[in-house]
Amino acid sequence: GENVEQHPSTLSVQEGDSAVIKCTYSDSASNYFPWYKQELGKGPQLIIDIRSNVGEKKDQRIAVTLNKTAKHFSLHITETQPEDSAVYFCAAGGGADGLTFGKGTHLIIQP
Amino acid sequence: NAGVMQNPRHLVRRRGQEARLRCSPMKGHSHVYWYRQLPEEGLKFMVYLQKENIIDESGMPKERFSAEFPKEGPSILRIQQVVRGDSAAYFCASSLQQGASYEQYFGPGTRLTVT
Repeated sequence: GENVEQHPSTLSVQEGDSAVIKCTYSDSASNYFPWYKQELGKGPQLIIDIRSNVGEKKDQRIAVTLNKTAKHFSLHITETQPEDSAVYFCAAGGGADGLTFGKGTHLIIQP
Repeated sequence: NAGVMQNPRHLVRRRGQEARLRCSPMKGHSHVYWYRQLPEEGLKFMVYLQKENIIDESGMPKERFSAEFPKEGPSILRIQQVVRGDSAAYFCASSLQQGASYEQYFGPGTRLTVT
């Protein structure tokens, strides 16, 4: 089955700086890669996703890149703000079953 | 337009009791997924259902756990004879189209505590 590795587990950046979270996956059949933001006590919120026919996707301060050959994808957040502090999860999907999630990155924005 | 709804938000059960978790998908969505999240862990897929059908239950424990999504009403995840190891947050997600290649939207979760 699919295996998703996510790094780092904790990331602390100064407000205004950029944050990058990286994930690798194992199953070449995976073709859908969403990113979720989870705040304390809440459910995961879909913030951006990318499909395997695209190499990069951007939405305001958030961008995701995908390298199918190397089987890795990354989340980039620019001009970080205090409200970006949360746990971020990457995931991979492509079959009839559910998504396979990474273990999460706790992003801390230092004022 | 309501999102995915789950209830109860918090559930406390004693060992040996039954837990019933309910999930109402987003309006127009007929695909429901259940996931379990342990503290400091990612979400683990349990089961994928469509109306009146279980499509994939490969992530669900073989004993004590069952799920349904009837023609009318919410999807139910049932855990019989709960044990302490069942304590976790249980999330459901819904999608408009079939399969894990489409956007899944999550509910707020049910936090189950087994005492």
